Amino acid sequence: SQTIHQWPATLVQPVGSPLSLECTVEGTSNPNLYWYRQAAGRGLQLLFYSVGIGQISSEVPQNLSASRPQDRQFILSSKKLLLSDSGFYLCAWSAGTVSSYEQYFGPGTRLTVT
Amino acid sequence: DAKTTQPNSMESNEEEPVHLPCNHSTISGTDYIHWYRQLPSQGPEYVIHGLTSNVNNRMASLAIAEDRKSSTLILHRATLRDAAVYYCILRDGGSQGNLIFGKGTKLSVKP
Repeated sequence: SQTIHQWPATLVQPVGSPLSLECTVEGTSNPNLYWYRQAAGRGLQLLFYSVGIGQISSEVPQNLSASRPQDRQFILSSKKLLLSDSGFYLCAWSAGTVSSYEQYFGPGTRLTVT
Repeated sequence: DAKTTQPNSMESNEEEPVHLPCNHSTISGTDYIHWYRQLPSQGPEYVIHGLTSNVNNRMASLAIAEDRKSSTLILHRATLRDAAVYYCILRDGGSQGNLIFGKGTKLSVKP
């Protein structure tokens, strides 16, 4: 069966510090990978998605970047965090881009920028 | 992706059926109807999806109107663990398939 991992589970970082969140998927190959953010009291916002190694699409211009160095690894980064980067970050995968495919979400990372 | 409209909140009693409505009057012929739910402090969880015909799985049933302009997620026997925010999402068959989440319906289940 497929599983998705995210770490760390929680993170408190000062403004201006760098960020690296990691997501890995097991039990499948060539998944589509997604990063979402949920700010407090708000809905989920798609940040990045990837259909393959090295292929990243950005949905919203911002202070963050994403990379996919391996087939089942997706990394979310920032060089300098802002207060507005606080939120609940979720990684997800799906078996394909066709809209009939469901997405499966990881447990999330709760980031607080102080 | 087309827009959906859901009630902000609903209440149910434990062990009773729950019908969560969703309106999507501007749905196109290639849009799939997806339902996800999010429990507090967790990531969203896939529930069910369909295109035209009603669908059943171990979690729920999805009833789709004949004109596809509305759908209803049916939880046959609500439990306390079903308390969550339920999202109805349309996904264009011609797009990258990204999910666009609205505000959803917050379901409360009373014992």
